[in-house]
Amino acid sequence: GAVVSQHPSRVICKSGTSVKIECRSLDFQATTMFWYRQFPKKSLMLMATSNEGSKATYEQGVEKDKFLINHASLTLSTLTVTSAHPEDSSFYICSASEPVNTEAFFGQGTRLTVV
Amino acid sequence: DAKTTQPPSMDCAEGRAANLPCNHSTISGNEYVYWYRQIHSQGPQYIIHGLKNNETNEMASLIITEDRKSSTLILPHATLRDTAVYYCIVRALYNQGGKLIFGQGTELSVKP
Repeated sequence: GAVVSQHPSRVICKSGTSVKIECRSLDFQATTMFWYRQFPKKSLMLMATSNEGSKATYEQGVEKDKFLINHASLTLSTLTVTSAHPEDSSFYICSASEPVNTEAFFGQGTRLTVV
Repeated sequence: DAKTTQPPSMDCAEGRAANLPCNHSTISGNEYVYWYRQIHSQGPQYIIHGLKNNETNEMASLIITEDRKSSTLILPHATLRDTAVYYCIVRALYNQGGKLIFGQGTELSVKP
């Protein structure tokens, strides 16, 4: 299957700083990517849909000014957690699919810890 | 997309078949059944999907009832590496380019 790579896999940051997470489709072009977050022992929660060349679409309750999403190319989407707080500590996962494919492929996830 | 219901947890002996059920009684005609799994601290992995016919691939088999209100994922010979959370998701094909709404899933524990 297609490969989606996330970087970094783990990051620790101080409260008040910003953290950028990258999601890349390595062997296909993805016009749409998705960002999820997952708390311990919980399911994945969709945060936003990232559309190449246009503004992201956020799910209800997700602060767009806090979670900045940029999808500048067909192979790269970034999620920036701004002014991070300990409650933002979570597992962030991205997914992408080819325009004509029915499967979504997921990155390996990024474990964010805010101290 | 229709909602799914899965048992929260199941155990299976290594080498035996693991049968994971999923109810999706409100599924509509254009919606497919997808299965993903998530091994601890990794991103979800696609397993299989189907519309109404039974499907099989190198990982698993998917059995969908005739009325399409439920399905079963079968791992024919479970190994310890199959221990994971398994998610059954219903979505329309090509709906929003791969957008998936996850339920709580079934935590499968494969025991020696």
